[in-house]
Amino acid sequence: EAQVTQNPRYLITVTGKKLTVTCSQNMNHEYMSWYRQDPGLGLRQIYYSMNVEVTDKGDVPEGYKVSRKEKRNFPLILESPSPNQTSLYFCASMALDRGYSGNTIYFGEGSWLTVV
Amino acid sequence: LAKTTQPISMDSYEGQEVNITCSHNNIATNDYITWYQQFPSQGPRFIIQGYKTKVTNEVASLFIPADRKSSTLSLPRVSLSDTAVYYCLVGGMDSSYKLIFGSGTRLLVRP
Repeated sequence: EAQVTQNPRYLITVTGKKLTVTCSQNMNHEYMSWYRQDPGLGLRQIYYSMNVEVTDKGDVPEGYKVSRKEKRNFPLILESPSPNQTSLYFCASMALDRGYSGNTIYFGEGSWLTVV
Repeated sequence: LAKTTQPISMDSYEGQEVNITCSHNNIATNDYITWYQQFPSQGPRFIIQGYKTKVTNEVASLFIPADRKSSTLSLPRVSLSDTAVYYCLVGGMDSSYKLIFGSGTRLLVRP
């Protein structure tokens, strides 16, 4: 079954304590991305990756890091979390074999992060 | 990614047909039109995709006029469980490879 798996699904942490949200996909997709969703603000892209070792900033990258050492994994790292990073986070992946258009985006189930 | 315009919200009643229109005046020749559905606290999921004319699957229909500057997602006989946010995406990515979602249309189905 095609899946994008995120962990943890729920986390409460304290300000400044480094945390990592893992994301793994089993579809051999080239493109992976992280979004955050806040009430009234829709889905905002944090970082994305076109392939292994290729990452770039989305619209709201401040306070986040990512890495893409393997094709299937794309962890999101919060080096020093702050309360304004409390949000619902989604990982997504997509193939790039149809020239970027015409492909389907697959999303994970989401990770609720609360920073106190 | 072509800029899209959708209504912010729509209301309907169970059993009715719902049509959500998306405008995309600057759609490119090779752009596909894809609709996603998002339930609260869940990731968006693919509903339907098309390039031109009409596409139908078990969930919805997608109508695309000849000029392709708009598209209409049609949900037949909606139920309460169709209450969700619906996003229209046109094309794959912009020139910087960002994949950006618009605000979507919040559909509320009432009993």
